[in-house]
Amino acid sequence: EDQVTQSPEALRLQEGESSSLNCSYTVSGLRGLFWYRQDPGKGPEFLFTLYSAGEEKEKERLKATLTKKESFLHITAPKPEDSATYLCAVQVGWAAGNKLTFGGGTRVLVKP
Amino acid sequence: NAGVTQTPKFQVLKTGQSMTLQCAQDMNHEYMSWYRQDPGMGLRLIHYSVGAGITDQGEVPNGYNVSRSTTEDFPLRLLSAAPSQTSVYFCASSPRQGTYNEQFFGPGTRLTVL
Repeated sequence: EDQVTQSPEALRLQEGESSSLNCSYTVSGLRGLFWYRQDPGKGPEFLFTLYSAGEEKEKERLKATLTKKESFLHITAPKPEDSATYLCAVQVGWAAGNKLTFGGGTRVLVKP
Repeated sequence: NAGVTQTPKFQVLKTGQSMTLQCAQDMNHEYMSWYRQDPGMGLRLIHYSVGAGITDQGEVPNGYNVSRSTTEDFPLRLLSAAPSQTSVYFCASSPRQGTYNEQFFGPGTRLTVL
């Protein structure tokens, strides 16, 4: 069974204090790993897709990396507006369409 | 483009009542899906569709029905609501089956079943 685990569940940071979120996965045949951001009361918003081990992608203060067993979302010098829940999801195969299996998320709070 | 829209935003039902959650997208996406989000459990796939007239079950389909008569619309029906269906429901769409494009999510419907 495909499993996606995110850690920590919650993270409190001071503004400017860099940190990393972890997404570990156990799947058969990873086709893509996705990172989403979710603000309270809203739907998930797409951030990155990673396809192969060693791949990295960046967007503003966020950088996502991928290995064969896990992905990291690095937040560099975070600002209060980076406070959100960050979701990791994997796509396995494509015979059944673009189905995603999600982890439980990491709630990030950045204090000024 | 409005993207993915969902109605209603909030709904309270009594056990045994039925209702339909509406989802529409104006991006001509072939793939649409319904997820539910519960505290500590992440998003779980209920049903999905790879095109008009084609639907299939996801991880937690029991108690829910779907149909896809047009490319734009993908309603989710609760036939006899139960308290276990209290959750936040998200509809999502993506451009094509078989490719690894990101899914676009709607704003969600918060459902409470008493």
